[in-house]
Amino acid sequence: QKEVEQNSGPLSVPEGAIASLNCTYSDRGSQSFFWYRQYSGKSPELIMFIYSNGDKEDGRFTAQLNKASQYVSLLIRDSQPSDSATYLCAVSTGFQKLVFGTGTRLLVSP
Amino acid sequence: DTGVSQNPRHKITKRGQNVTFRCDPISEHNRLYWYRQTLGQGPEFLTYFQNEAQLEKSRLLSDRFSAERPKGSFSTLEIQRTEQGDSAMYLCASSPRDRDEKLFFGSGTQLSVL
Repeated sequence: QKEVEQNSGPLSVPEGAIASLNCTYSDRGSQSFFWYRQYSGKSPELIMFIYSNGDKEDGRFTAQLNKASQYVSLLIRDSQPSDSATYLCAVSTGFQKLVFGTGTRLLVSP
Repeated sequence: DTGVSQNPRHKITKRGQNVTFRCDPISEHNRLYWYRQTLGQGPEFLTYFQNEAQLEKSRLLSDRFSAERPKGSFSTLEIQRTEQGDSAMYLCASSPRDRDEKLFFGSGTQLSVL
């Protein structure tokens, strides 16, 4: 079982819709959770982080964490074509290195 | 200082040659990480430094790989006797504080081993 699992996609949504990206992790001791966006040929860019159960909102982005279910998600409201990218979920167990999933490719069509 | 800087951006080498990459972290970031990423995969942890001390190396990292961070500033990653399987994007990242796990990545070095 991989430590961090994501559906590779692509996830296709129309412009203006809500995109929902999901991630599960295997280590119950995981403490910190991150979402990175990666455009093709570019390096990952941090867009959200969450440490506690519940929701955290930042602009059009909402991160949701459920530690009991070992599940973290990212919602993107009012999706734009510029949101088309690969979204990487990353998890830390507290040893201060991040373990990444394989990423979900998001395609937002105009 | 605008971010993590990596050089070169691209490196093409022949199998068996040695290559060295450089990373300059964001000023005052005391943690520096090296990751490797292949197409369709997420970044894979290689090693990290706190100041000049190398605190962890991945078990996946063969003895052909060595990293240094003299004086706790820039870092180098050397691959000896390169193999075609070493072809990947090598990413450097830094983080600002000992207990801050937010990583800021450089643009990466794309290595192609022919």
